[in-house]
Amino acid sequence: RKEVEQDPGPFNVPEGATVAFNCTYSNSASQSFFWYRQDCRKEPKLLMSVYSSGNEDGRFTAQLNRASQYISLLIRDSKLSDSATYLCVVNGRTGNQFYFGTGTSLTVIP
Amino acid sequence: DGGITQSPKYLFRKEGQNVTLSCEQNLNHDAMYWYRQDPGQGLRLIYYSQIVNDLQKGDIAEGYSVSREKKESFPLTVTSAQKNPTAFYLCASSMGGGRSTEAFFGQGTRLTVV
Repeated sequence: RKEVEQDPGPFNVPEGATVAFNCTYSNSASQSFFWYRQDCRKEPKLLMSVYSSGNEDGRFTAQLNRASQYISLLIRDSKLSDSATYLCVVNGRTGNQFYFGTGTSLTVIP
Repeated sequence: DGGITQSPKYLFRKEGQNVTLSCEQNLNHDAMYWYRQDPGQGLRLIYYSQIVNDLQKGDIAEGYSVSREKKESFPLTVTSAQKNPTAFYLCASSMGGGRSTEAFFGQGTRLTVV
């Protein structure tokens, strides 16, 4: 079983729509969780960390459900510039390894 | 500015040749990582290092070698034993030491075997 699993999509949504991505992880001892954004042919960049209490950054909301071992990312009022691949990342029990999902592709359509 | 630098950005290699990809960071991070990404695929871990002189195999270490003689530097050698080396290679670093902080990435090296 993969450490981190994501729906690869693609998600094609109109501007202004709300879109949600989910991700599950297999190791219940995982310590920290992140969402990264990767643009075509570029390196991944941190979008936001995910905390147990949930956290929000503008139009983006991330949530963690430890009991069910999944994390989510909600994007409200989608912009054309949100088009990218979103990677779910889990830091292992020792804190020294990162496990990446395969990424979810989002295209926001005018 | 602090960051992580990979070079070169593009690299072409003939079959049967070894090639070394450079990765340097000035973030004072203990842990460094090498990933490989193929088109439409996720990141796969090749090697990582938790501290100077520590080398740990990842999921796809065969055909690759690394060294960590200095904290700032973590070069990756793609050897002729790697059967399908054409890919996008990403180097990353993090604070390490069991601290749950994020990873920072270099801009990547796109390797093509010709």
